[in-house]
Amino acid sequence: EPEVTQTPSHQVTQMGQEVILRCVPISNHLYFYWYRQILGQKVEFLVSFYNNEISEKSEIFDDQFSVERPDGSNFTLKIRSTKLEDSAMYFCASRLQGRGQETQYFGPGTRLLVL
Amino acid sequence: SQQGEEDPQALSIQEGENATMNCSYKTSINNLQWYRQNSGRGLVHLILIRSNEREKHSGRLRVTLDTSKKSSSLLITASRAADTASYFCAPLSGAGSYQLTFGKGTKLSVIP
Repeated sequence: EPEVTQTPSHQVTQMGQEVILRCVPISNHLYFYWYRQILGQKVEFLVSFYNNEISEKSEIFDDQFSVERPDGSNFTLKIRSTKLEDSAMYFCASRLQGRGQETQYFGPGTRLLVL
Repeated sequence: SQQGEEDPQALSIQEGENATMNCSYKTSINNLQWYRQNSGRGLVHLILIRSNEREKHSGRLRVTLDTSKKSSSLLITASRAADTASYFCAPLSGAGSYQLTFGKGTKLSVIP
């Protein structure tokens, strides 16, 4: 069964460094998402991406964050200058386009630790 | 999207028993989804119920939806230790990108 994959599974970085989290969505999906979950807290929506542009973003998704679909398979989240509070689990998700296709399929996540 | 509120926050049952968790939301919806999250891992979609449906089954799962009360329930029958996880509801309304807004969830512990 197709699944969303994410790399790396764990990333440790120093405060102020740039990190890129990678996701490979399910191949025929057209909507892509990033969510994050700070330890012990709720899963929070960051951004949605469709047709090579951001369709919606939350207040969390400030200028430090960017997303990109650099090729036909990868979907990346870049944090330009990491802060301690960016430490969290980051989940990628994807879904099909169209009415009746609201189900999102999540990847296993990348655990980011900022020191 | 809007956030659902799951209740109870925690539930502990013996293996073989049924587990019921509830979700309430505030404004009208097109559909409501339930997801499961095993400790710190990715979310897994369980079931989706549309606003014109009242009940839906999938294996050991039974979901009900009462749009007049703006509430839904998830029943897991004959629970197993592997059902131990957090469960979240995600009410969806309108169109757009359908981003999900999650609450704190119900943390289910199934004791062998």
